[in-house]
Amino acid sequence: AQSVAQPEDQVNVAEGNPLTVKCTYSVSGNPYLFWYVQYPNRGLQFLLKYITGDNLVKGSYGFEAEFNKSQTSFHLKKPSALVSDSALYFCAVSPRNSGNTPLVFGKGTRLSVIA
Amino acid sequence: ETGVTQTPRHLVMGMTNKKSLKCEQHLGHNAMYWYKQSAKKPLELMFVYNFKEQTENNSVPSRFSPECPNSSHLFLHLHTLQPEDSALYLCASSRPDRANEKLFFGSGTQLSVL
Repeated sequence: AQSVAQPEDQVNVAEGNPLTVKCTYSVSGNPYLFWYVQYPNRGLQFLLKYITGDNLVKGSYGFEAEFNKSQTSFHLKKPSALVSDSALYFCAVSPRNSGNTPLVFGKGTRLSVIA
Repeated sequence: ETGVTQTPRHLVMGMTNKKSLKCEQHLGHNAMYWYKQSAKKPLELMFVYNFKEQTENNSVPSRFSPECPNSSHLFLHLHTLQPEDSALYLCASSRPDRANEKLFFGSGTQLSVL
């Protein structure tokens, strides 16, 4: 069965500094990988996904993520954090050859960007 | 605004009450989902509907009863809940359920069971 690990409950970063939110996954075969963001009192919003091709995926709001097959990781990054990036971030995975298997999500990492 | 609307936004109920959560989307999607979000736990998939047919029930207790009368509407009927059922319940939709499709989420219903 597939699973996602987000090892950090909380990440704090100063505004203007680079940020990284970590995600590792376990899945049979090759994965589809996703990042979602949840702002206060809102549902989750899609940020980016890796399907195939270039290991560096660019998404909304200046975020990007790098797929690393050997390390089974899909860390979310942004070169310069904004206070408005403060939110809860979820990594999700689905096996590529699963047909219709729904996404499996991690527990989320709360990002706090301090001015 | 994601195009997925959930009502009510907040719900407080006693353990003997019966209530329903409603989800509505007009995105033309044919797959709809219920998720449960509890603090510091992975988002839990509860139910999946494809073209109004339930395709997944993730070992959810029978006190939660889903209903999907058409591809635009999804309900979650609640009865005799327990305090540990207090959580944020999220509805989502997508084009027909495929592993690489992105989900569109509603803002959720924050449920408190007393």
